Amino acid sequence: GAVVSQHPSRVICKSGTSVKIECRSLDFQATTMFWYRQFPKQSLMLMATSNEGSKATYEQGVEKDKFLINHASLTLSTLTVTSAHPEDSSFYICSAETGTGDGYTFGSGTRLTVV
Amino acid sequence: GDSVTQMEGPVTLSEEAFLTINCTYTATGYPSLFWYVQYPGEGLQLLLKATKADDKGSNKGFEATYRKETTSFHLEKGSVQVSDSAVYFCALIEGSNYKLTFGKGTLLTVNP
Repeated sequence: GAVVSQHPSRVICKSGTSVKIECRSLDFQATTMFWYRQFPKQSLMLMATSNEGSKATYEQGVEKDKFLINHASLTLSTLTVTSAHPEDSSFYICSAETGTGDGYTFGSGTRLTVV
Repeated sequence: GDSVTQMEGPVTLSEEAFLTINCTYTATGYPSLFWYVQYPGEGLQLLLKATKADDKGSNKGFEATYRKETTSFHLEKGSVQVSDSAVYFCALIEGSNYKLTFGKGTLLTVNP
């Protein structure tokens, strides 16, 4: 089945630095990918919709200058957390619409810890 | 707008017990309905789905039936195992916007 690979699975960074998270569709082309943030014991919050070759669409309240999304090819979308702060620590998950009618395939998530 | 309401957890059961996690939805049209499962420290996996009224989705012993009259999609399993311990999310997609609307998730813990 359709697989989405997300990397890294865990990252620890210092305050003020930037972190890039990659999401790749391995055996299908993903015109659209989605980025979610999940706080402990809470549901997923959609941050933005990433469209290949165009600007991402951000949900209300999400800072687009802080969470930079690039979707330069049909198989790769990246989320860069710029000037990270401890409050950005969270679990970030990407997903892609597979076109098979099964909804979405999700990446395995990235645990970001900012110290 | 669309919304999904699922029973709040946590739910704690003994092995081989019967499981029900309630899920109801609000939508203007005819959404597709999904159950996703999230094991600790991992992303989400599709557990089952139903795309139209009276469809029954099933997988790994779990079942859910799309009930349009009650706008529900309750998840059931006749005999849970310790390995079923996870967070379960009910979700829907409606229309062409391709955005998943999630419930808040229900944590299930199964004890031996």
